[in-house]
This record gives sequence, structure tokens and C-alpha cells, in this order.
Amino acid sequence: EAQVTQNPRYLITVTGKKLTVTCSQNMNHEYMSWYRQDPGLGLRQIYYSMNVEVTDKGDVPEGYKVSRKEKRNFPLILESPSPNQTSLYFCASRPGQGYGYTFGSGTRLTVV
Amino acid sequence: AQSVTQLDSQVPVFEEAPVELRCNYSSSVSVYLFWYVQYPNQGLQLLLKYLSGSTLVKGINGFEAEFNKSQTSFHLRKPSVHISDTAEYFCAVSSSRDDKIIFGKGTRLHILP
Repeated sequence: EAQVTQNPRYLITVTGKKLTVTCSQNMNHEYMSWYRQDPGLGLRQIYYSMNVEVTDKGDVPEGYKVSRKEKRNFPLILESPSPNQTSLYFCASRPGQGYGYTFGSGTRLTVV
Repeated sequence: AQSVTQLDSQVPVFEEAPVELRCNYSSSVSVYLFWYVQYPNQGLQLLLKYLSGSTLVKGINGFEAEFNKSQTSFHLRKPSVHISDTAEYFCAVSSSRDDKIIFGKGTRLHILP
């Protein structure tokens, strides 16, 4: 089944403890992206990647890192999480320009 | 820079009535436009998209949208809604040059029995 897989689905962590949210797609898509969703703010793009080893900042990149060492994987790294990073995170991929995204099921992160 | 405005945060509508969800965008370059739906506790699914050509685009689940360049709008419509259409709907715009996609803040569609 064609899909974007994120793990974990739920995560509670403490301030300052490094964490990684994994994202993998099996559709050979070129473009991958991370979004966070907050009530009243909609979805905001964190980082995106249009190719292996190429990443670019979205609208809210502060406090996050990403890497794209291989086409299928695009992990999101929080080096020192803070409570304001408590949010619902979505990974998404698409073949290229003009195509819609396929979204993962989301990761609900709580930082205490 | 691009931006998207969804004019209504919530829209209540009676079952089997028509509905229109409004979306306006701004951009200095040519854009692609999308509508997504998010059902409770799920990720987003693509409803439809406009790239070029015919300004009326049809999507899944009986939805359609009309691109109006002069009014910079991309409103979503359905002639008769069902209880299963209860969800949050997001309009999105992307440029033709990169993967920066801007989403609106969403419109919650409430179907009244």
C-alpha cells in the first residue's frame, strides 16, 4: 500500500531531551515535507526537501533539524525540545510540482 | 510571498443543503491551488487541485472548486452535503518554483441533521 509512515504516533517527552520523529514513504516521491498543526493556526511548514541531500526552511524552522540522506526517509529532529513545540506533526510527500501531498497519520508530541 | 485566507473558521449547514467554503489567495507568481480534507483524528487527504486549464475542477466525494483569477479565489462547493462530510477543510497554495506550500487556517464544516 502506498503510504507515508510516521513514528511514533504519540510521544511525551521532557524539555531538553533530544528526540527524532521518523518519516518514510514507499512511493518514490521526490518531495518531502514536515508540517506542524496547531489549533487556530492551521498547518505551518517546518522544512521541505526537493531531492536527496537538499533541504530548505519552511515558515517555522527554528528549533528543528531535518536530513534527507536517502529518498524514502526524512526524519525530523528536535535537538532540545521546548514546551512551545508541543503540537501535532505531519510528514508528507509528493512526486513533484503540481501534485498533491500524501500525508502521514501524524505524531502528537507533548513536551513537558 | 504567498498567502491564503479562508474566510470562515466554521460553517454550519443542514444535511442535503448546498455548501460553499471560501478561499482567497495572494501571490506574485503563478500558483497551484489545492483543497484538502481532514477527518477527525486523521491526516489530510487531497480533495482536488487546480494547475491550469479549465477553471472548474472536480474532486472526490462530489466536491468541486472554481478558480477565479481576477478575484484571486478558489472556493469549494458541494451541491448536497451528507453527515459524512463533517470534517475540517484546508485550502493551500504553492508556487511553481519550489515546494513551499502555504495552508489556510481551515474551515470546520458542521452538518446539522
